[in-house]
Amino acid sequence: KAGVTQTPRYLIKTRGQQVTLSCSPISGHRSVSWYQQTPGQGLQFLFEYFSETQRNKGNFPGRFSGRQFSNSRSEMNVSTLELGDSALYLCASSLETGLVGAGYGYTFGSGTRLTVV
Amino acid sequence: GQQVMQIPQYQHVQEGEDFTTYCNSSTTLSNIQWYKQRPGGHPVFLIQLVKSGEVKKQKRLTFQFGEAKKNSSLHITATQTTDVGTYFCAGLRQGAQKLVFGQGTRLTINP
Repeated sequence: KAGVTQTPRYLIKTRGQQVTLSCSPISGHRSVSWYQQTPGQGLQFLFEYFSETQRNKGNFPGRFSGRQFSNSRSEMNVSTLELGDSALYLCASSLETGLVGAGYGYTFGSGTRLTVV
Repeated sequence: GQQVMQIPQYQHVQEGEDFTTYCNSSTTLSNIQWYKQRPGGHPVFLIQLVKSGEVKKQKRLTFQFGEAKKNSSLHITATQTTDVGTYFCAGLRQGAQKLVFGQGTRLTINP
């Protein structure tokens, strides 16, 4: 089966611009989570969507937003880009994040590497 | 909020030596997951531990979940160059749907 698809793979933007990243989860997966990964900060949780609803949100400013569509595909948007937003943005899908005991881990996409100049 | 601390941050070993990374949570977890990220790659799910005191093995990898369900460890016996990468633990607090990742342990190996 197809994995998690993130587009685009690479992106270069200028400060002040906005960007939209896309994530298509594994077919049948309803939970999509977004993480920001930087060398010094590890994996920082952005938000999680389940059945089109945002269930959890991390400690990121309001410039970071997301949404999920009825087919479970998700997008995240960053407005008014800052240099510090340069990072690898990872999307992870799962059947259900809180499902205990069934061995359901996250399947990550390859990420979108965003560079803000 | 929930925090997951992972140590050490870096570990360099000679090929054939053992390696251990430790994960500690500030709150009791319903389960803990481990992931491996190869250089230039993305995290890949390795295993999930659910029960108090649980021990699971995958070939040379041994995963443990503490009795209090607040800590976990990953031990690799006789490392090989294919083990190079960053190992992350990720904890799920009871009743939550947010997986919180540790900072990761980056393993490098001298062949």
